[in-house]
Amino acid sequence: GESVGLHLPTLSVQEGDNSIINCAYSNSASDYFIWYKQESGKGPQFIIDIRSNMDKRQGQRVTVLLNKTVKHLSLQIAATQPGDSAVYFCAENLMEYGNKLVFGAGTILRVKS
Amino acid sequence: KAGVTQTPRYLIKTRGQQVTLSCSPISGHRSVSWYQQTPGQGLQFLFEYFSETQRNKGNFPGRFSGRQFSNSRSEMNVSTLELGDSALYLCASSLLSLAGGNEQFFGPGTRLTVL
Repeated sequence: GESVGLHLPTLSVQEGDNSIINCAYSNSASDYFIWYKQESGKGPQFIIDIRSNMDKRQGQRVTVLLNKTVKHLSLQIAATQPGDSAVYFCAENLMEYGNKLVFGAGTILRVKS
Repeated sequence: KAGVTQTPRYLIKTRGQQVTLSCSPISGHRSVSWYQQTPGQGLQFLFEYFSETQRNKGNFPGRFSGRQFSNSRSEMNVSTLELGDSALYLCASSLLSLAGGNEQFFGPGTRLTVL
C-alpha cells in the first residue's frame, strides 16, 4: 500500500506544568507496555513500564495509566522541565512472543520556558 | 557499565549494494532486537536474537537478515539496497528473554542513507 508520512501530534506545555501524553494500542492481548523518550540524534530511552495486571504505576515525576477496556495508555509527567522536550513513544509487547515491541507513532513534547 | 554500542554511526551506500551493521549489547545481555525507524513508518521491529537463534521476525523482505554470535554481539545485513531502506537502524538489548516483559536498552542507532 501507499506509504503515508507520519504526522506526529505535538503537545506544548509551559515549564512547571504537568503533561499528559496519550496512546492507543492495537492488540488487546498485549500484556506489557513501555514508554520511551527519544531525543534528537539518540536512541529511545526507557521511561517507565507497566504490566497488564496493573492499571497505574508511578516513577520519579512520571506516572503511567493503563485502561485495558479501551486499549489506552497515558504518560503523565509532573512539573515538566525543558529537558523533557523530546518525542515520546508508547510500545506494546505480547510477552509470550519474546521481546518484540510494537511502537505507537509518537508524540512531540515541547516545553516552553 | 557501557551501554549498547552500534557501528558505524553513519553510512552512505548506493542502490544495489549491501550493508552490514553491528551491535554490541550491554555486557551480560543475551537478547538483541533490531528496529528500523523512518519518518514514514515510524519504529518497526525487524528481528530478535537470543542465544544465537532468531526468535522473532517482523514483516520485512528476505533482503534483511541478521545473526548473533556466541558473545551476544549481533549483526544485521541488508542486501540489494533500495532507496526506501534509508533509515535509522536501532539495536536494543535486554538481560532476559525467556519471555518478553523485559526492559530493553537501545543504542544510538546507525543512520543509513541509500543514494
